[in-house]
Amino acid sequence: DSGVTQTPKHLITATGQRVTLRCSPRSGDLSVYWYQQSLDQGLQFLIQYYNGEERAKGNILERFSAQQFPDLHSELNLSSLELGDSALYFCASSPRAGAGGSYNEQFFGPGTRLTVL
Amino acid sequence: DAKTTQPTSMDCAEGRAANLPCNHSTISGNEYVYWYRQIHSQGPQYIIHGLKNNETNEMASLIITEDRKSSTLILPHATLRDTAVYYCIVFSGSARQLTFGSGTQLTVLP
Repeated sequence: DSGVTQTPKHLITATGQRVTLRCSPRSGDLSVYWYQQSLDQGLQFLIQYYNGEERAKGNILERFSAQQFPDLHSELNLSSLELGDSALYFCASSPRAGAGGSYNEQFFGPGTRLTVL
Repeated sequence: DAKTTQPTSMDCAEGRAANLPCNHSTISGNEYVYWYRQIHSQGPQYIIHGLKNNETNEMASLIITEDRKSSTLILPHATLRDTAVYYCIVFSGSARQLTFGSGTQLTVLP
């Protein structure tokens, strides 16, 4: 158990809909990262927040957005869903912002499996 | 961040050491080597990281060559629960993200 929690575990929805995935980081961790893992794309970094501020952006679609709240939990919002958005979505947390090469261990949650029908 | 090359798959007998290689010939001086693993559909798990010295923790050892162009992750006594995809990642921090490649599927055989 990494200490990172994600809800829900599974989500089934229809194309065009909007969903919100939630992540609670490990106690004391200030950084939250979101990743998408689909069968054909592997594990892709989406976005990072550090202490409430966006820190880094990866291959995140404009239909997707995220935020980190004052209590440090984070939400990933996916809108206008398409079949291709079906994937595992992982959240990870780390104590630091990620600057520098060391002390960047990320602790991953169990993921949310999104199925778009 | 530098690119890494890993074998697609490897087998190892239970109880034996598993040695997973990684090439990172374009690594630069301030880039660290990180290893993660992912057991089927679970969240990736941090294993170990290093810069130039060999490192050991309760899970594994990391051997980095003197020229830093390659490294080996060693699981000293592999168990069936070590069956997973192992990712070698070179990380500088300037990119602010971990870039996961295809990894090595390690299968520990009974």
